[in-house]
Amino acid sequence: DQQVKQNSPSLSVQEGRISILNCDYTNSMFDYFLWYKKYPAEGPTFLISISSIKDKNEDGRFTVFLNKSAKHLSLHIVPSQPGDSAVYFCAAYSNYQLIWGAGTKLIIKP
Amino acid sequence: DSGVTQTPKHLITATGQRVTLRCSPRSGDLSVYWYQQSLDQGLQFLIQYYNGEERAKGNILERFSAQQFPDLHSELNLSSLELGDSALYFCASSVGDRAGANVLTFGAGSRLTVL
Repeated sequence: DQQVKQNSPSLSVQEGRISILNCDYTNSMFDYFLWYKKYPAEGPTFLISISSIKDKNEDGRFTVFLNKSAKHLSLHIVPSQPGDSAVYFCAAYSNYQLIWGAGTKLIIKP
Repeated sequence: DSGVTQTPKHLITATGQRVTLRCSPRSGDLSVYWYQQSLDQGLQFLIQYYNGEERAKGNILERFSAQQFPDLHSELNLSSLELGDSALYFCASSVGDRAGANVLTFGAGSRLTVL
């Protein structure tokens, strides 16, 4: 029973264009949603988060959108840069449990 | 360097054996979390400690146990190892006890291979 799903295992985007990573969830009780980025041979690093009471949060080139009715969130990266090539994990939090998606590998093409 | 130290980085052992993974949290962080990542999977939450006490439990097998010591470092003990236990084990730490409201800082992971 996957409560958090990232349906795209990989995504390839041209440098300078927008990258959109998607995440779906099933539990309407999640309080927070987070995105973490992971480079090879390193642990995940926090990128951006959003509370369930908001629908948008921005931090520089990164924006997270939350659509509660669709139980869907997305991460927009504008403009995409070569250093953004990494695996991106979506995670959702409720009741001391942080549930992770399987990750999407983002490849930024020069 | 994230400030979270995990040892060993790599470990190869045989089925039926027992291993201990160690984690030193970032200075000032009171919570330690353990996660398991199998091939091409997301992170599976195992267990969380906050200031020495167990705070939350995830899908941790009975063969696995953990503790957090007074100096806040933590150990994850895996016993009666099976082939399926081969995975990357991550430790993370945070200041507070709520993983959603606090940024988790991860270590680089311990890769366990069971032969």
